[in-house]
Order: sequence, then C-alpha cells, then structure tokens
Amino acid sequence: DIQMTQSPSTLSASVGDRVTITCRASQSISDWLAWYQQKPGKAPKLLIYKASSLESGVPSRFSGSGSGTEFTLTISSLQPDDFATYYCQQYNSYWTFGQGTKVEIK
Amino acid sequence: EVQLVESGGGLVQPGGSLRLSCAASGFTFSNYWMHWVRQAPGKGLVWVSRINSDGSSTSNADSVKGRFTISRDNAKNTLYLQMNSLRAEDTAVYYCTRASGSGWYALGYWGQGTLVTVSS
Repeated sequence: DIQMTQSPSTLSASVGDRVTITCRASQSISDWLAWYQQKPGKAPKLLIYKASSLESGVPSRFSGSGSGTEFTLTISSLQPDDFATYYCQQYNSYWTFGQGTKVEIK
Repeated sequence: EVQLVESGGGLVQPGGSLRLSCAASGFTFSNYWMHWVRQAPGKGLVWVSRINSDGSSTSNADSVKGRFTISRDNAKNTLYLQMNSLRAEDTAVYYCTRASGSGWYALGYWGQGTLVTVSS
C-alpha cells in the first residue's frame, strides 16, 4: 500500500503570507496526486489534480508541483477564506489520503 | 449542476448492518466511477470503496473487505454502500464522491455526507 505523509500537521500563518505544504509518497506515484481543501462541517473540495493542474473555478493563488514522491501545494498570498485543512491524495494505486495539514490564523 | 445526496446514516449497534444510498443528478451517472470516502469525528479522510462505470468491478480498503459492498443502479442514478458487521471504528461521516472521469481520476465532486454511528 502507498502511504502519504504531509508536513507540517499544523501551520500558523497570516493573511498575505506565502504558504507551502509538503506531501511525500512512500513510493513513486508519477504525477497522480490531488490536493483538497476542507472547512469544518463541509465536504472536501478538489483544488489541484495531476499534481499541478488547477481545478476549474479555483483561484490562481493555489498551485501544485512535484512528481515521483515529493509534492507541494503553495498558496501564494493567503486569504481569509483559505484557513482550512488541506489533504493530499494519491490515485496511482487505489486512493490514499495524507493525514491533513491545518492552516490556522497566526 | 452535479448533485450527490447521501442518505441512510444513523445509529446502529455493533455487529449490525446499514445501507447507505447516494442519489446522483446533473450528469450522466453511468459514465463515471464512483467512490465512498469516510471521516471519523475529528480525524482525516479515508478512502473506503470504488466501483467502475457499469458496476462490473469494485475495490475496497482492507479495513472494510468482507464487510462492506459497494454497488450501483445506473437506471436509478443511485450508488449504494451495504455495511455489515459494523464496528465502533466504522463510526464516521460517509461521503459519496464522483471521480472526475471514468478511471483513475481525482475526486471532483462530493456529497454533503451522512453520519454513521456504531454504538450500543
């Protein structure tokens, strides 16, 4: 089974900050990686697919990069609506989520 | 507009059974793989099951193998999850999700979730 490890688990940041979240796969997954945003009490929302493709309607301040085993999600300028929990997910072999990264207000 | 509406959650005793349903609308249901993903209270997301477009192929997470069965009725645009031999650790919000395509895709659409509580 492929394991996904995100870091950090919690991130404290201010509006306007550049934020980077890292996701590592236990084996190569090529670019079969997605990023989701989840707010309390709500369903997750797809942000990025195939490691770097922006889902329709998602603001351009979100970007993804990486391939193989190392991936990053970057928010170029954090906005008030972006405080949430973010999950990576591989879909190279079945589907596995990372444990999540909570982005909180500093 | 794509809509996924789950139902069937509730309180069930350990060892009991429950069937979740997901009514789909706003897209051609029979063209897409469908999944169930769950989230225990205060915890992360866990993939549970998937089914291909015509229902001929399914996969399940090891934690539910032999206990949960995913199925679909393309004539009724409905996805199901039959859950048997339920355990306390199955307590979670269960989300019905649609892949972004037919095959190995990310999960582009999610329902609002239905809560399953396994407790005596």
